[in-house]
Amino acid sequence: NAGVTQTPKFQVLKTGQSMTLQCAQDMNHEYMSWYRQDPGMGLRLIHYSVGAGITDQGEVPNGYNVSRSTTEDFPLRLLSAAPSQTSVYFCASRLGQIKAGELFFGEGSRLTVL
Amino acid sequence: AQKVTQAQTEISVVEKEDVTLDCVYETRDTTYYLFWYKQPPSGELVFLIRRNSFDEQNEISGRYSWNFQKSTSSFNFTITASQVVDSAVYFCALSDPGRRALTFGSGTRLQVQP
Repeated sequence: NAGVTQTPKFQVLKTGQSMTLQCAQDMNHEYMSWYRQDPGMGLRLIHYSVGAGITDQGEVPNGYNVSRSTTEDFPLRLLSAAPSQTSVYFCASRLGQIKAGELFFGEGSRLTVL
Repeated sequence: AQKVTQAQTEISVVEKEDVTLDCVYETRDTTYYLFWYKQPPSGELVFLIRRNSFDEQNEISGRYSWNFQKSTSSFNFTITASQVVDSAVYFCALSDPGRRALTFGSGTRLQVQP
């Protein structure tokens, strides 16, 4: 059982470049989300989805786009990378509502924007 | 607005000492869930516990115990007889089912010295 899989694990971008962080889960979870982790700030929610075709913004959505065309996949797109987007990104999924259980996290993707 | 405060940025103990990690939260909701996650040096996030706001019983799991006090809005985590493998960053998180998101504290880095 793979759980939540993120690719790539490491990426270096130049300012202005675009890229997509991939996230896939094989647990048939309805809920998926993206967080970013910065030193001293914990994890902050970027975007989330409660099912295929449904997405919503989190605390820090600017500069990021998401889509949810299938239950399994929830890619995060950086449209024009900025140094402020240097961070570790985590994808997480959950079966349904909060009461259904905890969030399962991927291993993280470390992004550096030069 | 929700908020989770982990005032202890870093704690260092010697193996076999007991250590308590503090977590104080703010929420206006009457129904919410509290979580603890562990992030070892390898970087992944490991779920430790989930507690709902209606269950104030303390919980013990091996060397780990949690003290939930609604009156003081605290959800503290104690490790008894700490071990080197407990060295990690520990995050406390608060969930509002309506927002379907987790608000994380900034984390406490625990260093257990042999």
